[in-house]
Amino acid sequence: DAGVIQSPRHEVTEMGQEVTLRCKPISGHDYLFWYRQTMMRGLELLIYFNNNVPIDDSGMPEDRFSAKMPNASFSTLKIQPSEPRDSAVYFCASNPSEPRVNTEAFFGQGTRLTVV
Amino acid sequence: DAKTTQPPSMDCAEGRAANLPCNHSTISGNEYVYWYRQIHSQGPQYIIHGLKNNETNEMASLIITEDRKSSTLILPHATLRDTAVYYCIVQYGQNFVFGPGTRLSVLP
Repeated sequence: DAGVIQSPRHEVTEMGQEVTLRCKPISGHDYLFWYRQTMMRGLELLIYFNNNVPIDDSGMPEDRFSAKMPNASFSTLKIQPSEPRDSAVYFCASNPSEPRVNTEAFFGQGTRLTVV
Repeated sequence: DAKTTQPPSMDCAEGRAANLPCNHSTISGNEYVYWYRQIHSQGPQYIIHGLKNNETNEMASLIITEDRKSSTLILPHATLRDTAVYYCIVQYGQNFVFGPGTRLSVLP
């Protein structure tokens, strides 16, 4: 398996533009997570899905952020409109079942977003 | 907020054992201790996890105290490629909270 695949790896956009980040989880994994990493705040969980359904989006910073999972093999994180403070590395992760039954999360390589 | 406390940084000589401590004094009975690491510019990588008993795998050993209020990750023979930020996470269910971690530098 190729692991969790994120695209693009790097994105530079102007303030006010819409940005869409993409993630393909590992086949067969029921859970998908979106994280954001910055120097100031570290790794933050934004939202996670179970069987394509959003379970907890309390980490989504504001209404400009939205995430979807239209099917088991694809998820998007959209920022509209983007702002310079959204600049960060965004990670997607997946795991096959509830972590309390001893499973670990597999992370993608991340998307480095720069909003100028 | 993260439920763990780790030293911000540590050094270790190449070939020696690296012992990374973690305090989790408020851990609940059903919470697991997980360790991940993040090598520069990469996504976090799972290392090991445990509940009560000590655990060992091909990467590391995890020693959990009897009262479960602290643990130690042991890399038995550290290499330069083990230089990374190591995160100790106390977790039950989906509530993965990453703290600032320990930046381990393996020195030649």
